[in-house]
Amino acid sequence: RKEVEQDPGPFNVPEGATVAFNCTYSNSASQSFFWYRQDCRKEPKLLMSVYSSGNEDGRFTAQLNRASQYISLLIRDSKLSDSATYLCVVTHLASGGSYIPTFGRGTSLIVHP
Amino acid sequence: ETGVTQTPRHLVMGMTNKKSLKCEQHLGHNAMYWYKQSAKKPLELMFVYSLEERVENNSVPSRFSPECPNSSHLFLHLHTLQPEDSALYLCASSQEGVLASSYNEQFFGPGTRLTVL
Repeated sequence: RKEVEQDPGPFNVPEGATVAFNCTYSNSASQSFFWYRQDCRKEPKLLMSVYSSGNEDGRFTAQLNRASQYISLLIRDSKLSDSATYLCVVTHLASGGSYIPTFGRGTSLIVHP
Repeated sequence: ETGVTQTPRHLVMGMTNKKSLKCEQHLGHNAMYWYKQSAKKPLELMFVYSLEERVENNSVPSRFSPECPNSSHLFLHLHTLQPEDSALYLCASSQEGVLASSYNEQFFGPGTRLTVL
């Protein structure tokens, strides 16, 4: 079983739509959770951290469910500029005390006019 | 400008060549990472350096050799690579704290697109 799983998509949605992505992880000892965004032929950039209580940043809402070991990202009122690949990242603490991140393969979002 | 630079941006090399990738971070971070990104595959963590000590090596072939001379610089030395090593190699840095809750985001460089002929 893959450590961090995402539906690769693509999710093809019209402008203004609401879209949700899920990500499941296998390591129950995972410490931190993030969503990154990667545009075509660019490096990944942090979109938002995911906190246990859930958090919102403008049109973006992230949720964490530790019991079921998944995180989600909700995008409301999609814009053309939201078209990108969304990467789920989960970290665990290595024996030496450093954090080791594991990336999902990403979910592709295409927002069309 | 992300604060993490990588050179070269593009590299084409033969299987018998030796080359090095360079990464430099200007953010004052204490951890640096090498990743490999191939088409249709997730980012693969190759090496992690924390406080200039290697703390993770995800069973990477010995033809990849990392070097971290100080907290701002990270190198990936390449020799006798295979065509399947062609990929985008990304460097990242982050600031690790002493508390379990203080893991911070990673800042990525633009990557080196490597082609092995």
